[in-house]
Amino acid sequence: AQSVTQLDSHVSVSEGTPVLLRCNYSSSYSPSLFWYVQHPNKGLQLLLKYTSAATLVKGINGFEAEFKKSETSFHLTKPSAHMSDAAEYFCVVSDREGAQKLVFGQGTRLTINP
Amino acid sequence: GAGVSQTPSNKVTEKGKYVELRCDPISGHTALYWYRQSLGQGPEFLIYFQGTGAADDSGLPNDRFFAVRPEGSVSTLKIQRTERGDSAVYLCASSLISLGDTEAFFGQGTRLTVV
Repeated sequence: AQSVTQLDSHVSVSEGTPVLLRCNYSSSYSPSLFWYVQHPNKGLQLLLKYTSAATLVKGINGFEAEFKKSETSFHLTKPSAHMSDAAEYFCVVSDREGAQKLVFGQGTRLTINP
Repeated sequence: GAGVSQTPSNKVTEKGKYVELRCDPISGHTALYWYRQSLGQGPEFLIYFQGTGAADDSGLPNDRFFAVRPEGSVSTLKIQRTERGDSAVYLCASSLISLGDTEAFFGQGTRLTVV
């Protein structure tokens, strides 16, 4: 069975400082991993995905994530936070060779302080 | 349309009533998914369609929930004898083939409130 643990329910950073949102996963098969962002009253938007190519994945809006198999982690980072980054972020795992479904973490709310 | 469309955007119903939630996927997407997101939680899988058939309905919580996709495009999620615990945002997503190869695109959801 697959599962995702987002280690922080809420992260608060100042504008212009780095962002780190932590995610650990568990999967019986070779996983696909995703980060989605959900702005208030908007649909889920894909930030980036890992599907067994390069372990460092670059996404939209300056975000990137690194797949570390030995640590079963897929942390999301951004060098410099912007006010528009304030949103809910979800780490997601999918079993590429099995069940066709996304398993979501509980989410991390990112707050940006001016 | 350009994206996944869900109607209605909001639905308030009385306990015990029947409701239908509609999803229009992106044209040409064969895979369609329903998720439920309760307040403060991540979305939880309900059911997955590949074409017209429900390939995986393991996430449906009980037999009050049912979904159809008769022509392989539009899908309807049906909830009978609604309960207050059914209140949540119901999300629909579609993808071109299957998740291993392509991205899932989400609609904005239907917020269901059972009073």
